[in-house]
Amino acid sequence: QKEVEQNSGPLSVPEGAIASLNCTYSDRGSQSFFWYRQYSGKSPELIMFIYSNGDKEDGRFTAQLNKASQYVSLLIRDSQPSDSATYLCAVKDSNYQLIWGAGTKLIIKP
Amino acid sequence: ETGVTQSPTHLIKTRGQQVTLRCSSQSGHNTVSWYQQALGQGPQFIFQYYREEENGRGNFPPRFSGLQFPNYSSELNVNALELDDSALYLCASSSISGDTGELFFGEGSRLTVL
Repeated sequence: QKEVEQNSGPLSVPEGAIASLNCTYSDRGSQSFFWYRQYSGKSPELIMFIYSNGDKEDGRFTAQLNKASQYVSLLIRDSQPSDSATYLCAVKDSNYQLIWGAGTKLIIKP
Repeated sequence: ETGVTQSPTHLIKTRGQQVTLRCSSQSGHNTVSWYQQALGQGPQFIFQYYREEENGRGNFPPRFSGLQFPNYSSELNVNALELDDSALYLCASSSISGDTGELFFGEGSRLTVL
């Protein structure tokens, strides 16, 4: 059973600090990794995707991938209250199907 | 450019009934996938349609079935509803089958089975 694991949280971070969200996956053949944000009662929206080992930055967001450790993370710098949401990690496995984690609830405290 | 639209947004059914959920994909997208999201869980892949054919299926029983039409809109049908089918059903469209994780989601259909 292929799995994607996330800490359910909630993760509470002060406004302006760095929020760090983590995700591990079981399928070593996975090639593509995605972070989606889901506000309460809304549908998921793509934040970032990463294919290669290392860091990928986009504005306040940085995705980090370590395939050897089967680990992907999302850093949010200068956290804002509007970043409060559930963050879903999704992994495209060796069969090209997206496997989703259960999400980490992030709360940014003003 | 129109986004992904789903209908109905909310519905209530009883056990044993059947339900049909509808999805219009984003303009220019030819692939539609359906997900079930239970409260507090991540989305679970049900199946995907590309050019009117199912080309991927998750671990869901045959009572979950679907269709894709020539205009790339899609339906999800669930027969013999069970209490555990209560969930948010999300439709997502994309432009290339199985080649990108960038999915564009509709707002979902929230199904309650009593």
